[in-house]
Amino acid sequence: DSGVTQTPKHLITATGQRVTLRCSPRSGDLSVYWYQQSLDQGLQFLIQYYNGEERAKGNILERFSAQQFPDLHSELNLSSLELGDSALYFCASSVGGRGSTDTQYFGPGTRLTVL
Amino acid sequence: GQQVMQIPQYQHVQEGEDFTTYCNSSTTLSNIQWYKQRPGGHPVFLIQLVKSGEVKKQKRLTFQFGEAKKNSSLHITATQTTDVGTYFCAAQAFNAGNNRKLIWGLGTSLAVNP
Repeated sequence: DSGVTQTPKHLITATGQRVTLRCSPRSGDLSVYWYQQSLDQGLQFLIQYYNGEERAKGNILERFSAQQFPDLHSELNLSSLELGDSALYFCASSVGGRGSTDTQYFGPGTRLTVL
Repeated sequence: GQQVMQIPQYQHVQEGEDFTTYCNSSTTLSNIQWYKQRPGGHPVFLIQLVKSGEVKKQKRLTFQFGEAKKNSSLHITATQTTDVGTYFCAAQAFNAGNNRKLIWGLGTSLAVNP
């Protein structure tokens, strides 16, 4: 158990819909990262938040957005869903101190299926 | 953009055989991390390499960082069925400035025949 929690575990929805994925980082971690993992593909980095502020951006679509709240939990919002958005979405957290590349601790993931 | 190439994409071995996966970058890396993802699981941190030419061992796993800090390898001696999974490298480019995101390889999926 990494200490990172993600809800829900599974999500099935229809094209055009909007969903919200939730992540609670490990106690004490200030950074939260979101990743997308499709079948036969590696981890696609989406976005990172550090202590409530956006820190780094990857291949995140404009239909997707995220935020980190004062209690440090994070939400990833996916809108106007398409079939190709079906994937496993991981959240990871790290201590997030400046000047270091931190070890990232991954949550169990949310499997999104768009029908 | 910056890329980290990881090879091979797949590897199928007999139990007891050795296994190696490689990560290569065209640019100098500040450091590199290795993660393992079991089937149906999530990536789990294995190790971080920082120094040029660094070699670290964890039981049957040997991790190396190249002298030029542009490549890295993970070698497993005498594979076991418990080694099954996908191994990812994740690197931070040197002089990344404020952009400290990790660049992930696509992973090497290891299958082990008992």
